[in-house]
Amino acid sequence: QVQLQESGPGLVKPSETLSLTCTVSGVSISSYYWSWIRQPPGRGLEWIGFIYTSGGTTYNPSLRSRVTISLDTSKKQFSLKLSSVIAADSAMYYCVGTTVVTAAGTSNWFDPWGQGTLVTVSS
Amino acid sequence: QSVLTQPPSVSAAPGQRVTISCSGSSSNIGNNYVSWYQQLPRTAPKLLIYDNNKRPSGIPDRFSGSKSGTSATLGISGLQTGDEADYYCGTWDSSLSAMIFGGGTKVTVL
Repeated sequence: QVQLQESGPGLVKPSETLSLTCTVSGVSISSYYWSWIRQPPGRGLEWIGFIYTSGGTTYNPSLRSRVTISLDTSKKQFSLKLSSVIAADSAMYYCVGTTVVTAAGTSNWFDPWGQGTLVTVSS
Repeated sequence: QSVLTQPPSVSAAPGQRVTISCSGSSSNIGNNYVSWYQQLPRTAPKLLIYDNNKRPSGIPDRFSGSKSGTSATLGISGLQTGDEADYYCGTWDSSLSAMIFGGGTKVTVL
């Protein structure tokens, strides 16, 4: 079955760069767009951005200046880099397969999801 | 504060039906499709509804979705204790050029 697994440091110092990788198995990397979504403890979901299999990206405008999402199709991995992190960037980070259909309106939905990885920003 | 507005909580007895509203605007729900997610405690969210009212394989028909104008609604019938979770609506916002979520609704089974 489809599996997504996040990996990366659980603790990042303020002002440094958060780096996470998602490894995809059980499905072709070209089957979906690939998103990162985060959730601060006790709070709601925030979409960070997604990458298409062509390598193009779309980012949340609120994070665009600090975010880079990249794709390595040969390794079936995609990655997130978030620079200049602050405490408010502490969250559970999920990697997610994303379907995007644009016809008479945009339809996006998120499935499947990784289990998430908790990242804390602290010195 | 979320662009999409959901009630913080809803509750009902087992077997009853609950509905969760998601209110937006013409730049999001009014002209794009809505999806819904269930997040059980300490787990990743799970897709319940996409394209306003379609259920992925494996999602029981107790869960239903609808959209009217700039609002969407998730319905859960035959409420079960296992349905206690947070529920989120999501859609594309054409003005923001971003995927947005509601603030989430906690469902409690009394």
